[in-house]
Amino acid sequence: EDQVTQSPEALRLQEGESSSLNCSYTVSGLRGLFWYRQDPGKGPEFLFTLYSAGEEKEKERLKATLTKKESFLHITAPKPEDSATYLCAVHSGTYKYIFGTGTRLKVLA
Amino acid sequence: GAVVSQHPSRVICKSGTSVKIECRSLDFQATTMFWYRQFPKQSLMLMATSNEGSKATYEQGVEKDKFLINHASLTLSTLTVTSAHPEDSSFYICSARDRREGLDTQYFGPGTRLTVL
Repeated sequence: EDQVTQSPEALRLQEGESSSLNCSYTVSGLRGLFWYRQDPGKGPEFLFTLYSAGEEKEKERLKATLTKKESFLHITAPKPEDSATYLCAVHSGTYKYIFGTGTRLKVLA
Repeated sequence: GAVVSQHPSRVICKSGTSVKIECRSLDFQATTMFWYRQFPKQSLMLMATSNEGSKATYEQGVEKDKFLINHASLTLSTLTVTSAHPEDSSFYICSARDRREGLDTQYFGPGTRLTVL
């Protein structure tokens, strides 16, 4: 069964304290892995798409990486404005999009 | 990135009335749009997949007669919550599938907060 698991559920960091969020997946044929950022009361904002193992993408303080089993979202020197829920989703070989439950990140000043 | 709008952003209605929510892809054509529901502090729950020119595909447990979906054009999908009740109160989010330039990504609207009194 296709499955996406994100960890940790919640993460508190001090400003400047780098860390990584994990997205583990089990799917029948990966067509794409997506990272989104969601602020309270808003729709998810697209961050990255990764298509194959070994691929990496960067945007400001964020860097996403992909292996055959998981993806990491690395946050370097985070700022309070990076506080949000980060969602991971996969597009499987059965053409389904499966979302993880998200990681709630809080960056303290 | 691509832009997806939703209207209204917030709606309050009385029990028994119907509410229509619009989802538009502003700068690209989307043959496929998705409708999600999200409860507080929970992830997105896919309700249905909307395909332009054909009937929507509903997820298990979602009442198609309750949640009417119409995808009449390549830039517009609508979700109508019929005879709304307080338990239908939720955050509804749409997304549009962008397949331009060989990519395949969902872009989300800002969401609609529905409160049924």
